[in-house]
Amino acid sequence: AQSVTQPDIHITVSEGASLELRCNYSYGATPYLFWYVQSPGQGLQLLLKYFSGDTLVQGIKGFEAEFKRSQSSFNLRKPSVHWSDAAEYFCAVGPTSGSARQLTFGSGTQLTVLP
Amino acid sequence: ETGVTQSPTHLIKTRGQQVTLRCSSQSGHNTVSWYQQALGQGPQFIFQYYREEENGRGNFPPRFSGLQFPNYSSELNVNALELDDSALYLCASSFSRGGAGELFFGEGSRLTVL
Repeated sequence: AQSVTQPDIHITVSEGASLELRCNYSYGATPYLFWYVQSPGQGLQLLLKYFSGDTLVQGIKGFEAEFKRSQSSFNLRKPSVHWSDAAEYFCAVGPTSGSARQLTFGSGTQLTVLP
Repeated sequence: ETGVTQSPTHLIKTRGQQVTLRCSSQSGHNTVSWYQQALGQGPQFIFQYYREEENGRGNFPPRFSGLQFPNYSSELNVNALELDDSALYLCASSFSRGGAGELFFGEGSRLTVL
């Protein structure tokens, strides 16, 4: 069965510092990979996705992620964090075949940004 | 703002009752998915509707059911509510039923079961 592990429940960084959020997955084949962000009281917003090609993908708000097949990882990075980045971040995987886009999410990483 | 609207935003029910949650898809989207997000957890896939038919279901019992209407709006119904059903219920719409296209999420309906 597929699963997504986000080993860091909570991360605190200072504004302007770099950020890396970890994501590991278990799947039968290379899935589609996603990062979503959820602000308090809000739904989920897509930051970026990987489905083929270049393993370094760029997203919105200055985020990027790197897919490493050998490590089954898809870590999210940002070179300089802004206070507005404080939110919860979810990594997700989805099937590359079939008729239903059933995403499997990790349990999330809560990001706190210190001034 | 995604254009996906959900109602109600908050509601409280008692154990054993039934609840209906509603979702209006973003214009042009023909696929709706529902997710349950318990406190401190990531969303879990309940089911997906495409052109008014269920075409994928997660590990949820039959008391979780849904409908999709010709205008692609959707309902999630939960019968015989249990305390563990307390969660944020998220609706997501998309242009297609599969692939890597973006899911557009609503802000959710927060259900509390007492």
